[in-house]
Amino acid sequence: GNSVTQMEGPVTLSEEAFLTINCTYTATGYPSLFWYVQYPGEGLQLLLKATKADDKGSNKGFEATYRKETTSFHLEKGSVQVSDSAVYFCALSEGSSNYKLTFGKGTLLTVNP
Amino acid sequence: KAGVTQTPRYLIKTRGQQVTLSCSPISGHRSVSWYQQTPGQGLQFLFEYFSETQRNKGNFPGRFSGRQFSNSRSEMNVSTLELGDSALYLCASSGLGVKSSYNEQFFGPGTRLTVL
Repeated sequence: GNSVTQMEGPVTLSEEAFLTINCTYTATGYPSLFWYVQYPGEGLQLLLKATKADDKGSNKGFEATYRKETTSFHLEKGSVQVSDSAVYFCALSEGSSNYKLTFGKGTLLTVNP
Repeated sequence: KAGVTQTPRYLIKTRGQQVTLSCSPISGHRSVSWYQQTPGQGLQFLFEYFSETQRNKGNFPGRFSGRQFSNSRSEMNVSTLELGDSALYLCASSGLGVKSSYNEQFFGPGTRLTVL
């Protein structure tokens, strides 16, 4: 079956530091890949997505590139802010089950001023 | 445009009881999915409804059920509650066929269920 593995947290960074959160996946076929963010007390928000190999998703300074050869979709940001503190989830959907998302466990990011 | 709304936001029940959670999708969205979020298991897919029909189902026992109404609003029901059902239940809607929203799910704030 499908699965998503993302780096264990928590991750604690200082403001303006570089962020990488690793995500790898296992899937048959050609999945779409997503990063979702969850702020305290809220539901999930789509951060960025990529639907085919070599696509780069980007939003709010965050980027992730769909790497089919390494089955990876690592999240990066060049300079984090305190407001980026949240839980980040890597997810995939596949084929005819486009509305069934398989999530990683989530990574808690805390950014200190 | 109003987002996905879920009611109630918080719920406390005791073992053996049943519970019904409600989800109102974004206007025009016809697909509604439900997820369970727990610290141990993370986010797990429960089921997805489209035009009042269940299209996908996750690996949960039959105590978990759902339905969708003609206005796309959805409910999920959990019968004979167990302690392990304590979780945040998230609903997501999607605008199938809307090009800019293809494959994007918009999540509600969730219902926090506590089973005592």
